Amino acid sequence: DTAVSQTPKYLVTQMGNDKSIKCEQNLGHDTMYWYKQDSKKFLKIMFSYNNKELIINETVPNRFSPKSPDKAHLNLHINSLELGDSAVYFCASSQGTSRRVGNEQFFGPGTRLTVL
Amino acid sequence: SQKIEQNSEALNIQEGKTATLTCNYTNYSPAYLQWYRQDPGRGPVFLLLIRENEKEKRKERLKVTFDTTLKQSLFHITASQPADSATYLCAPLGAAGNKLTFGGGTRVLVKP
Repeated sequence: DTAVSQTPKYLVTQMGNDKSIKCEQNLGHDTMYWYKQDSKKFLKIMFSYNNKELIINETVPNRFSPKSPDKAHLNLHINSLELGDSAVYFCASSQGTSRRVGNEQFFGPGTRLTVL
Repeated sequence: SQKIEQNSEALNIQEGKTATLTCNYTNYSPAYLQWYRQDPGRGPVFLLLIRENEKEKRKERLKVTFDTTLKQSLFHITASQPADSATYLCAPLGAAGNKLTFGGGTRVLVKP
């Protein structure tokens, strides 16, 4: 059984388009995250939701908008895609911050976004 | 600003030897430090967590140390195997919550 799943795995699109990436976790976790890993392999947090509430919002362009319909899902919508958005986007989840600090994060397989 | 540094050069090591990776941090006082493994085309996988009041943590052939005075963590893979070849990421974590800040990772290549 896949713990954290993302769709699609690959996404190739033209500049200026709008696209969405979906993430689902079946671990019963309260907290979910979006990370961006660029070509230099640096993994940077973008957003975090705890029980559908936004708790981490790093310096990310407004073109990126996360949405959490329930605590098992966290989607990422990107408007007006730019060349610099090309990267691998990882979704992750962990047990809620209120219960345990420092707990491990479970990552999805990643979505490789290529903007042409 | 917070800075986390890992050796960006790949570590080539012979099977059976011990691989030692370094994670240095500045402008930061993490309460925890996590280590992850990442294989090509996959998401990171959690390996170990060490707390600031712990000097050393072990899990099978893995050993992590945490020196808050030196602001450094060392990650050791003993009796290394080709299957240990991967990129290893360190991620300090503050006491407040779950915001991980990852280092750039060190690629390890274990040769048979």
